[in-house]
Amino acid sequence: DTGVSQNPRHKITKRGQNVTFRCDPISEHNRLYWYRQTLGQGPEFLTYFQNEAQLEKSRLLSDRFSAERPKGSFSTLEIQRTEQGDSAMYLCASSLTGGAGTEAFFGQGTRLTVV
Amino acid sequence: AQSVAQPEDQVNVAEGNPLTVKCTYSVSGNPYLFWYVQYPNRGLQFLLKYITGDNLVKGSYGFEAEFNKSQTSFHLKKPSALVSDSALYFCAVRRVTNDYKLSFGAGTTVTVRA
Repeated sequence: DTGVSQNPRHKITKRGQNVTFRCDPISEHNRLYWYRQTLGQGPEFLTYFQNEAQLEKSRLLSDRFSAERPKGSFSTLEIQRTEQGDSAMYLCASSLTGGAGTEAFFGQGTRLTVV
Repeated sequence: AQSVAQPEDQVNVAEGNPLTVKCTYSVSGNPYLFWYVQYPNRGLQFLLKYITGDNLVKGSYGFEAEFNKSQTSFHLKKPSALVSDSALYFCAVRRVTNDYKLSFGAGTTVTVRA
């Protein structure tokens, strides 16, 4: 399967700990996106990269959140000092470079539970 | 700002009956519109999109959607629903600019009964 891959699939952590998630996009895709999805809601945009450049960050991305895509391939999303409100599904997506009509393909997500 | 409303939390239909999932959007300028489906423990799967041109868009698994600019709607339809279509459906919008983030609706749970 050459789709978007996310690891881990599930993460349970204690409040105050740091967590890091990884996303491997579809190999030829230059754009990579992070979204957060809470129960009963649609995904909410967090940030996106074109190659290694982080081009936009949502106001949802507090200073405890940081995302990187160091070589324009895989990306990591780190949450420092986790809070219970961070519990959510974190989705990664990727797309080809194209206009805004280019569809994004999503991974299966990482489900974070902060206890 | 851009947003999507999916007015129905749940849609229930019998297998073989037509299925419609409603979506309205709000965006400054022209929109790009998308439908995604999410099965349990699976990621979002792309179904179809409207960019420009024909208002009736055909997509995967027999789904289609109709873009209506005057009503700012993009309803998803399937002429004959299958039990396997039971899932969570999301409508999403992007502005027709160099703005690549998607704004999603809250989702509609479709249940198709045998």
